[in-house]
Amino acid sequence: QKEVEQNSGPLSVPEGAIASLNCTYSDRGSQSFFWYRQYSGKSPELIMFIYSNGDKEDGRFTAQLNKASQYVSLLIRDSQPSDSATYLCAVISSGGADGLTFGKGTHLIIQP
Amino acid sequence: EAGVVQSPRYKIIEKKQPVAFWCNPISGHNTLYWYLQNLGQGPELLIRYENEEAVDDSQLPKDRFSAERLKGVDSTLKIQPAELGDSAVYLCASSPGLVSGELFFGEGSRLTVL
Repeated sequence: QKEVEQNSGPLSVPEGAIASLNCTYSDRGSQSFFWYRQYSGKSPELIMFIYSNGDKEDGRFTAQLNKASQYVSLLIRDSQPSDSATYLCAVISSGGADGLTFGKGTHLIIQP
Repeated sequence: EAGVVQSPRYKIIEKKQPVAFWCNPISGHNTLYWYLQNLGQGPELLIRYENEEAVDDSQLPKDRFSAERLKGVDSTLKIQPAELGDSAVYLCASSPGLVSGELFFGEGSRLTVL
């Protein structure tokens, strides 16, 4: 059973601070990693993806991947109240045959 | 460009009744997914289609759930008979490729079984 683990939170961060969201995965052969944001009552939407070890930046968002540690994270700089949502980590396992596996999500609250 | 369209948005039924959900994916997206999401949980895959072929239905409870994707476009997910534990949001998503992790989700169909 391929697993994607996240701390469910809630993670409370003051406005303007850096929010750090973490995810671990069990399949060492996983190749592709994704972060989805889900507002309450809404559907998930893709915000970042990363395939290679290291950092990938997109505006206020940075995805970090460490395949040796089987760890992927999402940093949100200058956090805004509008960033309050559940963040879902998702992984495509080796070969892609199993499709996308989601974690349970981390509930992030940005405090004004 | 139109997004993924699902209907109905909300459905309330009594247990043992049947229910069906419909999904129209983004034009040109050959891969279609049905996910189930319970409150406080991540989406769980029920079935994945490539065109009209179900390439992964290992998590679909086949005793009561069925799905079809006629002509490789629209899809229908059916539950018969519904049980109390089926209350959840049923999400449809599409993607441009079978191995793509870039999924576009519909607004979901929230099912309440009484």
